[in-house]
Amino acid sequence: ETGVTQTPRHLVMGMTNKKSLKCEQHLGHNAMYWYKQSAKKPLELMFVYSLEERVENNSVPSRFSPECPNSSHLFLHLHTLQPEDSALYLCASSQDRAKNIQYFGAGTRLSVL
Amino acid sequence: AQRVTQPEKLLSVFKGAPVELKCNYSYSGSPELFWYVQYSRQRLQLLLRHISRESIKGFTADLNKGETSFHLKKPFAQEEDSAMYYCAPMNYGGSQGNLIFGKGTKLSVKP
Repeated sequence: ETGVTQTPRHLVMGMTNKKSLKCEQHLGHNAMYWYKQSAKKPLELMFVYSLEERVENNSVPSRFSPECPNSSHLFLHLHTLQPEDSALYLCASSQDRAKNIQYFGAGTRLSVL
Repeated sequence: AQRVTQPEKLLSVFKGAPVELKCNYSYSGSPELFWYVQYSRQRLQLLLRHISRESIKGFTADLNKGETSFHLKKPFAQEEDSAMYYCAPMNYGGSQGNLIFGKGTKLSVKP
């Protein structure tokens, strides 16, 4: 499959669970991003990775832990989340940070009970 | 602080009518500006960027540095233009090479 793929599409978890979101891109891009989209807020940038190195952490709580093992894969590890963390989590990639046309995945809809 | 404002949460027009989705930004330096669109059941995707100076699906957007605006316009709206539209400036300066998205405007084109 081409483009940016996110799994799972939907996730329901309790506050004590540990889960991970996965993002994969087959575009040969060097930069990857995690965004949070809540119902009544604008799209919020969470993390930026460039060449597998984290270059931006936008004041995200430590209960969100990103991982970028290679330029094609990006994970968001979740633990002890709060109900207010329920949102749509979007992954995006771009050729590099300077050429910032971003290509988005379909997102993971997360519900924290 | 850097900010982008899309004042209209919802914009409803009839097919064939002109449409303008407003975007104002507050940025230092010279930002590059983008419009992203999300059609129903589709992922967020780039619509156009100001440096390209092109028309995509009949939409154009002109950067007005004096008014710090980047409004999106189309002379004759079509039903398939119904979607969420996000204005997103990006400042290349310093460590701020990130897109900042507006809250979005939902465009509804009625038959």
